[in-house]
Amino acid sequence: SQTIHQWPATLVQPVGSPLSLECTVEGTSNPNLYWYRQAAGRGLQLLFYSVGIGQISSEVPQNLSASRPQDRQFILSSKKLLLSDSGFYLCAWSVGMGVDEKLFFGSGTQLSVL
Amino acid sequence: QQQVKQSPQSLIVQKGGISIINCAYENTAFDYFPWYQQFPGKGPALLIAIRPDVSEKKEGRFTISFNKSAKQFSLHIMDSQPGDSATYFCAASMNYGGSQGNLIFGKGTKLSVKP
Repeated sequence: SQTIHQWPATLVQPVGSPLSLECTVEGTSNPNLYWYRQAAGRGLQLLFYSVGIGQISSEVPQNLSASRPQDRQFILSSKKLLLSDSGFYLCAWSVGMGVDEKLFFGSGTQLSVL
Repeated sequence: QQQVKQSPQSLIVQKGGISIINCAYENTAFDYFPWYQQFPGKGPALLIAIRPDVSEKKEGRFTISFNKSAKQFSLHIMDSQPGDSATYFCAASMNYGGSQGNLIFGKGTKLSVKP
């Protein structure tokens, strides 16, 4: 069966420090991979998605970046965190095409930038 | 035009009652409407989804009603239980580029079912 691993679960970082969040998927190949951010009362915002190794699409301009060095690995990074980067970050994967596609989320990382 | 408007923001229902959450959209190109359930500290999980070619889909106690002309869809939870207490998100997307993952989410409804 497919599983998604996301770590760390919680993270407290000072303003201006770098960030690296990692997500890996097991049990499937060539998944679509996504990074979402969830802010209180604002729903889920798509940050990045990837349909293959090295293929990254950005939905929202920001000081975050994403990379996909391996088929089932997706990394969210920042060189210098801002206070506004605080939030709940979720990695997700999907398989299938069109209306049959289902999105599966990881357990999330609660990031607090102080 | 890309927004999905969800209401209410919060909902309190007695055990055994019906919980109803509504969503509205503008973009007629949307062709996939899922609902996600999220428990505190966890990622959302797909609950049920519908395509615009049907007006209703039922899975157990959960039903999606879809009104294409009004561009609205709703989630009904029959016989609501305390274990249903969670945040529910509606979403919509259109199929382009072969990926349906560019979901536009509503802002969520926090449901509390009182025993």
